[in-house]
Amino acid sequence: AQSVTQLGSHVSVSEGALVLLRCNYSSSVPPYLFWYVQYPNQGLQLLLKYTSAATLVKGINGFEAEFKKSETSFHLTKPSAHMSDAAEYFCAVRKNTGGFKTIFGAGTRLFVKA
Amino acid sequence: NAGVTQTPKFRVLKTGQSMTLLCAQDMNHEYMYWYRQDPGMGLRLIHYSVGEGTTAKGEVPDGYNVSRLKKQNFLLGLESAAPSQTSVYFCASRRGQGENTGELFFGEGSRLTVL
Repeated sequence: AQSVTQLGSHVSVSEGALVLLRCNYSSSVPPYLFWYVQYPNQGLQLLLKYTSAATLVKGINGFEAEFKKSETSFHLTKPSAHMSDAAEYFCAVRKNTGGFKTIFGAGTRLFVKA
Repeated sequence: NAGVTQTPKFRVLKTGQSMTLLCAQDMNHEYMYWYRQDPGMGLRLIHYSVGEGTTAKGEVPDGYNVSRLKKQNFLLGLESAAPSQTSVYFCASRRGQGENTGELFFGEGSRLTVL
């Protein structure tokens, strides 16, 4: 069964510091992996996606994620946090059968301190 | 281009009342999904549709029904609301099977409170 686990429900960083949000997946086949971001009182929007073309994926707003098969990880990083990055981030995996459903992790809320 | 539009955005119900949430998309997407979002649980799939006239159960379908009479619309119904259905509901859509990556496009959510 395909699933994702996000480590840490809350992460707090100072403005300008490195952002690291952790995601591990379980999948018996090469997965399609995603990071979505949700700003307060809004729907989710795609941050970036892994589709096997390249292991380092760059997304919007300076975020990137690296697919590591040996560690079954897809961690999200940003070199320098900005106040506007404060949001909830969801790692997700797309199933390959049954309506191509997307399964979401529990989410990590990012706080950015001035 | 509106994308995915959900109505209503807010609703308060009493236990036992019924209601319908409407999702409309103008992107000609084949697949549509209803999720609920609860604190600490991420998004859980309620029902989904792979095309007009089709529906299927997701992870947490009990207490909900859906219909997809038109390709652009996906309705979520609660026949007899319960406090456990207090949540934020999100509709999402994506292109069809030929689009491999499966990016989802989300509405802004519908916040439902059941008293």
